[in-house]
Amino acid sequence: AQSVTQPDIHITVSEGASLELRCNYSYGATPYLFWYVQSPGQGLQLLLKYFSGDTLVQGIKGFEAEFKRSQSSFNLRKPSVHWSDAAEYFCAVGPFSGGYNKLIFGAGTRLAVHP
Amino acid sequence: DTAVSQTPKYLVTQMGNDKSIKCEQNLGHDTMYWYKQDSKKFLKIMFSYNNKELIINETVPNRFSPKSPDKAHLNLHINSLELGDSAVYFCASRPDFRGGYGYTFGSGTRLTVV
Repeated sequence: AQSVTQPDIHITVSEGASLELRCNYSYGATPYLFWYVQSPGQGLQLLLKYFSGDTLVQGIKGFEAEFKRSQSSFNLRKPSVHWSDAAEYFCAVGPFSGGYNKLIFGAGTRLAVHP
Repeated sequence: DTAVSQTPKYLVTQMGNDKSIKCEQNLGHDTMYWYKQDSKKFLKIMFSYNNKELIINETVPNRFSPKSPDKAHLNLHINSLELGDSAVYFCASRPDFRGGYGYTFGSGTRLTVV
């Protein structure tokens, strides 16, 4: 069955430090991969997505993610974190089975940013 | 503004009541979803409609009944509310049910059953 694992429940970084949030997926083929961000009390906003092609994808707010097929990973990175990046981050897999597509989410990683 | 909008934003109700949550999107999308986010922030799909047709129906108690009067609207009706139904319910839409389109989410409805 398809699944998404975000190993880190909670991460704290200092403002200006680099960030990497981990995501591993389980799926028999190359899936569609997404990162969403949820600020407190808000809905989910799409940061970036990977479908095919270049394995390094750029997103909004200075985020990027790299797809590594050999590791079944799609880690999210940002070179310099801002205090406003504090939020919950969700990795999601949208498997395409030829049928009805649905997003399967990881459990989320809560990012705290110290000044 | 183009968006997915949900009403109400907050809903507090007693056990046993029946309530509805409404969702509308003006993005011209064909496919809409309901997701439930529990207290641990875990998101799980409940239902999906494509152009008014139910296409995904996960393992959800039959007290939950979605209705899509047209492709721009997807409502969720919940009968006989239970304490365990307390959660944040998100509506989402995407252009089509196939392919790798991203989902656009509403801002959520926080349901509290007391």
